[in-house]
Amino acid sequence: AQSVTQLGSHVSVSEGALVLLRCNYSSSVPPYLFWYVQYPNQGLQLLLKYTSAATLVKGINGFEAEFKKSETSFHLTKPSAHMSDAAEYFCALTTGTASKLTFGTGTRLQVTL
Amino acid sequence: GAVVSQHPSWVICKSGTSVKIECRSLDFQATTMFWYRQFPKQSLMLMATSNEGSKATYEQGVEKDKFLINHASLTLSTLTVTSAHPEDSSFYICSARDIQGKGYTFGSGTRLTVV
Repeated sequence: AQSVTQLGSHVSVSEGALVLLRCNYSSSVPPYLFWYVQYPNQGLQLLLKYTSAATLVKGINGFEAEFKKSETSFHLTKPSAHMSDAAEYFCALTTGTASKLTFGTGTRLQVTL
Repeated sequence: GAVVSQHPSWVICKSGTSVKIECRSLDFQATTMFWYRQFPKQSLMLMATSNEGSKATYEQGVEKDKFLINHASLTLSTLTVTSAHPEDSSFYICSARDIQGKGYTFGSGTRLTVV
């Protein structure tokens, strides 16, 4: 069975500081990994995805994530946080073109002045 | 980019009535659509997977007679909450996967409140 673990249900950073949201996965086959952002009362917006090409994936709004097979991780980073980054972030995994997404429990990012 | 339109964005209904939520892929064909339920401050819980022209596959514990899913075309899937009760109040989100299997696009969600 596959699973996604997001360490830290709540992360708080100062504006301009580094953002690091952690995601670890478990899968018996090569995974496809995604990061989504959700603003209150809205659906999910794709930030970036890993589909077995380059291990360092760049996404929208300055976010990027690195796939590390040895660590089974796919952490999300952004060099400088902005107030507009405050939202809920979900890491998700699927294992094939016909598979459903498995979500982590989410991390709420708070950005303070 | 791919867009999924979900309506209504919010709905209030009386206990015992039925509510239909629509999910449309606007600029691509979606062979597979997913329906999720999200409780406050929690992750998304997959309710069912629907494939165009076939019966939906429900996750364990989801009542198929209560949550009716129809995927009649490659661009439209509907979720009908039948005989709604206050415990059905939640945020429902759909997601569509395109024919090429390039990714998952989410609707904007529907806030259902049953009074």
